[in-house]
Amino acid sequence: DAGVIQSPRHEVTEMGQEVTLRCKPISGHNSLFWYRQTMMRGLELLIYFNNNVPIDDSGMPEDRFSAKMPNASFSTLKIQPSEPRDSAVYFCASSQIMNTEAFFGQGTRLTVV
Amino acid sequence: QKEVEQNSGPLSVPEGAIASLNCTYSDRGSQSFFWYRQYSGKSPELIMSIYSNGDKEDGRFTAQLNKASQYVSLLIRDSQPSDSATYLCAVANFGNEKLTFGTGTRLTIIP
Repeated sequence: DAGVIQSPRHEVTEMGQEVTLRCKPISGHNSLFWYRQTMMRGLELLIYFNNNVPIDDSGMPEDRFSAKMPNASFSTLKIQPSEPRDSAVYFCASSQIMNTEAFFGQGTRLTVV
Repeated sequence: QKEVEQNSGPLSVPEGAIASLNCTYSDRGSQSFFWYRQYSGKSPELIMSIYSNGDKEDGRFTAQLNKASQYVSLLIRDSQPSDSATYLCAVANFGNEKLTFGTGTRLTIIP
């Protein structure tokens, strides 16, 4: 298995632009997580899905952030409009339901200028 | 009080010695405990999981769990320079996939 696949690996965008991050979980995993990592706040859970259904989005910082999982093999995290304080590394992770051993993708380093 | 606390370090250990990393958690309902290793610029990588009180060994790594004290630790024997990384402690409740991470301890193995 190729593991969790994220794209793009790096994204540089101007403030106010829309940013879409993509994730393909490990085949057979039915829980998917979006995390954000910064030096100041560490690794924060933004949202997670079970069987494509959002279960907990309490970590989503504000309405500018949205996430979807239209099918078992694809998820997006969208920021619209983006702001410089959104600059961080965004990780996607997946696991099997009821098994909290989560595996991470390589991350997307987002820079908003 | 943070839910999962770790000493941020840096922790410096001579090559060949034992590195000891510690983590405390606040939620007594926590049932699942994990250690992730993260190299600079890379993603977190799961290295150990532990669910019951006591020790669990895997190669040079030993995880120790004490639920009464709400304490989990990771020991790395015969430390190698390649062990230099940030180690993240993560905790979850039983049947809940949501992981809560500590801020990590940066470990440096000195040759």
